[in-house]
Amino acid sequence: NAGVTQTPKFRILKIGQSMTLQCTQDMNHNYMYWYRQDPGMGLKLIYYSVGAGITDKGEVPNGYNVSRSTTEDFPLRLELAAPSQTSVYFCASSSPGGGTEAFFGQGTRLTVV
Amino acid sequence: AQSVTQPDIHITVSEGASLELRCNYSYGATPYLFWYVQSPGQGLQLLLKYFSGDTLVQGIKGFEAEFKRSQSSFNLRKPSVHWSDAAEYFCAVGTSYDKVIFGPGTSLSVIP
Repeated sequence: NAGVTQTPKFRILKIGQSMTLQCTQDMNHNYMYWYRQDPGMGLKLIYYSVGAGITDKGEVPNGYNVSRSTTEDFPLRLELAAPSQTSVYFCASSSPGGGTEAFFGQGTRLTVV
Repeated sequence: AQSVTQPDIHITVSEGASLELRCNYSYGATPYLFWYVQSPGQGLQLLLKYFSGDTLVQGIKGFEAEFKRSQSSFNLRKPSVHWSDAAEYFCAVGTSYDKVIFGPGTSLSVIP
């Protein structure tokens, strides 16, 4: 049972470069989330999606874009990388109702230099 | 909208001592409540969850939490802390129709 899979695990970008963080889940969850975690700062919600074709901004969406063309996939796009985007990124998924918890990927450690 | 607060940013306890991490939530109805643990360099792992029934729930690694509706709280406890419990702990709230909301986290340090 794969759960939530994130790729890559590590990445170094130069300022101004772009990249896509991949996230896929095999639990048929409606909800998917992207968080960033900076040291000592907890989880900040970047974007979330309640189903295919529907996305919404979280607390810190600036500098990021997402799409949700399928239930399984929720990629996060950085168009013009900035040093402030150096962080650990987590993807998660959940299903509303029934008390089901959020399942997390292992994270992507991104450094922008 | 629901919200979660964790009043303690950082807690230090001695190994073998008891532990209580506080969590308060804001929501109009009975929420689904969760505690997660994040060990250094790792993702988040579910410790326990509450969604109905007995207000005292048992989780993995010897943790338990008690739901108190009158106080809008869901505090996490452990009778005797081990050095391996040093980690970041997140409380979260969910509903039957909306996304899961996480608290800011409490960092736990354990003194040998």
